[in-house]
Amino acid sequence: DSGVTQTPKHLITATGQRVTLRCSPRSGDLSVYWYQQSLDQGLQFLIQYYNGEERAKGNILERFSAQQFPDLHSELNLSSLELGDSALYFCASSGLAGVAGELFFGEGSRLTVL
Amino acid sequence: SQQGEEDPQALSIQEGENATMNCSYKTSINNLQWYRQNSGRGLVHLILIRSNEREKHSGRLRVTLDTSKKSSSLLITASRAADTASYFCATDGMEYGNKLVFGAGTILRVKS
Repeated sequence: DSGVTQTPKHLITATGQRVTLRCSPRSGDLSVYWYQQSLDQGLQFLIQYYNGEERAKGNILERFSAQQFPDLHSELNLSSLELGDSALYFCASSGLAGVAGELFFGEGSRLTVL
Repeated sequence: SQQGEEDPQALSIQEGENATMNCSYKTSINNLQWYRQNSGRGLVHLILIRSNEREKHSGRLRVTLDTSKKSSSLLITASRAADTASYFCATDGMEYGNKLVFGAGTILRVKS
């Protein structure tokens, strides 16, 4: 158990809809990372927050947004969903602002868009 | 974008044999990490090697780094069926900013 909690574990929705994925980092970790894993794109970095502030941005679509709340949990919002958004979405946390250390991954949220 | 490329894409060995996976990357790095992912599960950190290190050991794992060739290898000795998983290298460096970029992974199957 990594200590990172993601909900929901599975989500099935229709094209055009909006979903919110939630992540609770390990106790004490200030950094939260979001990754998307799909068969064709592999593991893609989306965005990182550190202590409530956006720290780094990757290949995150404009239809996607994220935030980190004062209690350090994070949410990833996906809107106007398309079939190609079907993927495993991982949250990871670390105690560092940078990526020079180990990331602790949650079990992921599997999104299926029909 | 993917910085690292693992080789081979898939590897099948017998229990007790050694497994070697390679990772090549394109730009200079600060650190290189290896992670394991059991099917459909979250990634688990295995080992981190810094750019000024050449070799590191952790239990049955041995990682080497050759910055002149921009490559790393992960050796798992005396493999077990429980080692069956996907293995990813991940790098961070100036080129990619404050991001940990993962390769495509090697699927390892250990047959008992």
